[in-house]
Amino acid sequence: KQEVTQIPAALSVPEGENLVLNCSFTDSAIYNLQWFRQDPGKGLTSLLLIQSSQREQTSGRLNASLDKSSGRSTLYIAASQPGDSATYLCAVRSSEGYSTLTFGKGTMLLVSP
Amino acid sequence: ETGVTQSPTHLIKTRGQQVTLRCSSQSGHNTVSWYQQALGQGPQFIFQYYREEENGRGNFPPRFSGLQFPNYSSELNVNALELDDSALYLCASSSGDRRDYGYTFGSGTRLTVV
Repeated sequence: KQEVTQIPAALSVPEGENLVLNCSFTDSAIYNLQWFRQDPGKGLTSLLLIQSSQREQTSGRLNASLDKSSGRSTLYIAASQPGDSATYLCAVRSSEGYSTLTFGKGTMLLVSP
Repeated sequence: ETGVTQSPTHLIKTRGQQVTLRCSSQSGHNTVSWYQQALGQGPQFIFQYYREEENGRGNFPPRFSGLQFPNYSSELNVNALELDDSALYLCASSSGDRRDYGYTFGSGTRLTVV
């Protein structure tokens, strides 16, 4: 059974800092991994999608890496801003079974001005 | 291209009642998944529909049921509501034919059971 863990559970940083969010998964049989952002009480916004054959993806100030063999992914946020404050969720799409998403519990990020 | 839309946005029900939540999938997507997200937790998989057939189910009791229609929109039905069913219900769509696609999520339905 796939399990996804995100560390840290919460993070508070001053504006301008570069930061790294971590995600690990137990089963490397995946099609891809997605990073999502969730604002309080809202739905999920997809940030980056990394295929199992890729090592990283970039979008603006965000960079996500994937090491499938070791079951790890990181989300790097450069020059953080107060508007980045949200919960960040990592999810893997399994290549076995139902091929659905398995989520971590998320990292709650607070960027203070 | 339209995204995933869910209705209603908020709902309050009494324990023991039944509820139906609705979801319109993104254009071109034939797979719809439903997730339950309790406060402070990651979304938990309820079930998935591909071309109108259920093709996956998580660890949820049979009182959670669903449908997918020919236009790939979907419904989630919950019977005999319990207090623990209070959560954010998320719908997501993707392509079941292209496993390299990501999932697109709706804004969710906040269900409160009192």
